[in-house]
Amino acid sequence: EPEVTQTPSHQVTQMGQEVILRCVPISNHLYFYWYRQILGQKVEFLVSFYNNEISEKSEIFDDQFSVERPDGSNFTLKIRSTKLEDSAMYFCASSEAAGSWNEQFFGPGTRLTVL
Amino acid sequence: AQSVTQLGSHVSVSEGALVLLRCNYSSSVPPYLFWYVQYPNQGLQLLLKYTTGATLVKGINGFEAEFKKSETSFHLTKPSAHMSDAAEYFCAVGGQNFVFGPGTRLSVLP
Repeated sequence: EPEVTQTPSHQVTQMGQEVILRCVPISNHLYFYWYRQILGQKVEFLVSFYNNEISEKSEIFDDQFSVERPDGSNFTLKIRSTKLEDSAMYFCASSEAAGSWNEQFFGPGTRLTVL
Repeated sequence: AQSVTQLGSHVSVSEGALVLLRCNYSSSVPPYLFWYVQYPNQGLQLLLKYTTGATLVKGINGFEAEFKKSETSFHLTKPSAHMSDAAEYFCAVGGQNFVFGPGTRLSVLP
């Protein structure tokens, strides 16, 4: 069964460093998303991406964040200069289409620890 | 704006007992509602969803949920808990992006 994959599973970085989190969405999906879950808190939307453009972003997704689909399979989230409060689990998701009824398929997540 | 609340951050049940996880939503448009489960160190897996039609929705692993518009609720139930049901459960409202509730951790006691 097709699934969303994410690498690495755990990333440890120093404050101020750049990190890139990688995702491979399901191959026939067109819409891609990043969510964040700070430990003990709820899953929060960061950004959605379609047709090589950001469709929507939340207040969390500030200038330190960027997303890219560098090739036909990968979807990346870059944090330019990490802060302690960026420590969280980051989930990538994809869906066949947009629309509130469409299931989003989630990857296993990348745990980011900023020291 | 859409929002989701889940009453009870932690619910404990005995094996074989009824599971009831509560979810209430706020939405200005007809909602599409989802329940996801997160097992330890894993991603989010869809349990079930309500889009239109029958208000009682059946999902995987014996779970079901009922959409009640008058109560703005979408509670998740399972008649008989199993040890393998221990996980975090998230209710979500669909939209351009999903809005998740805070989650309920289900513990199943032997």
